Amino acid sequence: DMKVTQMPRYLIKRMGENVLLECGQDMSHETMYWYRQDPGLGLQLIYISYDVDSNSEGDIPKGYRVSRKKREHFSLILDSAKTNQTSVYFCASSPGQKRDTQYFGPGTRLLVL
Amino acid sequence: GEKVEQHESTLSVREGDSAVINCTYTDTASSYFPWYKQEAGKSLHFVIDIRSNVDRKQSQRLIVLLDKKAKRFSLHITATQPEDSAIYFCAASTPSSSFSKLVFGQGTSLSVVP
Repeated sequence: DMKVTQMPRYLIKRMGENVLLECGQDMSHETMYWYRQDPGLGLQLIYISYDVDSNSEGDIPKGYRVSRKKREHFSLILDSAKTNQTSVYFCASSPGQKRDTQYFGPGTRLLVL
Repeated sequence: GEKVEQHESTLSVREGDSAVINCTYTDTASSYFPWYKQEAGKSLHFVIDIRSNVDRKQSQRLIVLLDKKAKRFSLHITATQPEDSAIYFCAASTPSSSFSKLVFGQGTSLSVVP
């Protein structure tokens, strides 16, 4: 059963704290993504990873960084979180470097106070 | 860069009727148009897509139409059922954007009322 997992599912942090969001997939997909979802804005792409240690900025990378040391694992890091980073974060993966279907994780709801 | 607009933010239909969600895009080079469904409190999952080499695709009760001249595509859900109630997102991908980068619309919240 193809699956994208995310941890944690819910997180509350204070402004200025560091945040680590984890994503895993068991499909050996090459490409992984991080999005954030805000009401009325749809999904906005933060970062893409084409493979291990091969990452590119998406449309809204400021304030975020990523790490991919294994193909099945992709992390999103917020150094010194800000209140405007309160959002729902989705990880996704797709099989290859084409216009393939993306498989989404369950999401992480982050609240920055 | 590519921009995708969903015209309806909310849509309400009676069970059994058809629902139509419309999207427009800006980049004439866009060639791949998927649709995703998000049920309340859940994640997104893929429902149907269309590529620019065709102008119509059907999968059971779902029909996608693509009008390249107007840079418009639409999702038609026929014989709607209560379980069709969800937020639907359209998206577009261009050949110039590498590696499956999708631009999403803002989402349309569909309610199917009995």
